[in-house]
Amino acid sequence: DTEVTQTPKHLVMGMTNKKSLKCEQHMGHRAMYWYKQKAKKPPELMFVYSYEKLSINESVPSRFSPECPNSSLLNLHLHALQPEDSALYLCASSQDLGAPAFFGQGTRLTVV
Amino acid sequence: GESVGLHLPTLSVQEGDNSIINCAYSNSASDYFIWYKQESGKGPQFIIDIRSNMDKRQGQRVTVLLNKTVKHLSLQIAATQPGDSAVYFCAENIHQGGKLIFGQGTELSVKP
Repeated sequence: DTEVTQTPKHLVMGMTNKKSLKCEQHMGHRAMYWYKQKAKKPPELMFVYSYEKLSINESVPSRFSPECPNSSLLNLHLHALQPEDSALYLCASSQDLGAPAFFGQGTRLTVV
Repeated sequence: GESVGLHLPTLSVQEGDNSIINCAYSNSASDYFIWYKQESGKGPQFIIDIRSNMDKRQGQRVTVLLNKTVKHLSLQIAATQPGDSAVYFCAENIHQGGKLIFGQGTELSVKP
């Protein structure tokens, strides 16, 4: 299995909702990442986990809360989002920090 | 500071021609570089990588060149095909912390 799987593929949520994005990989990778990508822009790093511990938080607002329950799973919990948070949310994994990162297909999030 | 940028936002080539996509980086501490291809509605796809102790690396129809003197990276695609049409991002990995920074992207359009 060489894939990073993200669910759901599409999500529409209201500003008062709580939702979660999920990411899974079974490549034995020990580093996992969340990126946010707006249309026509490059992916922007949000969080990095290494060996299930948060390694980097790129000053992301607290309405985004990451969680790494085990080495194969990465979640992004969403609460009280704003319409400007609408974007493609990408998960990636790599064997270790500094190794090639492989991306999932993303979750297209729309906040209404 | 840390920045990775591309010289051209769009590139249009004829099918069968060679394509060259350029990238500039500014962080001397970067030791690893990756090229990604992103098709519409999909996540970035790993193409090829190169470490800072190399000047050139070849893959299938692709070559990456690294010039550390002028902090310049390029991706060469031989015999460009319509399926190569996509946005291409260079990314710079600073080993300490696993921070992968993306450039602005070049949209490659292949004319049949």
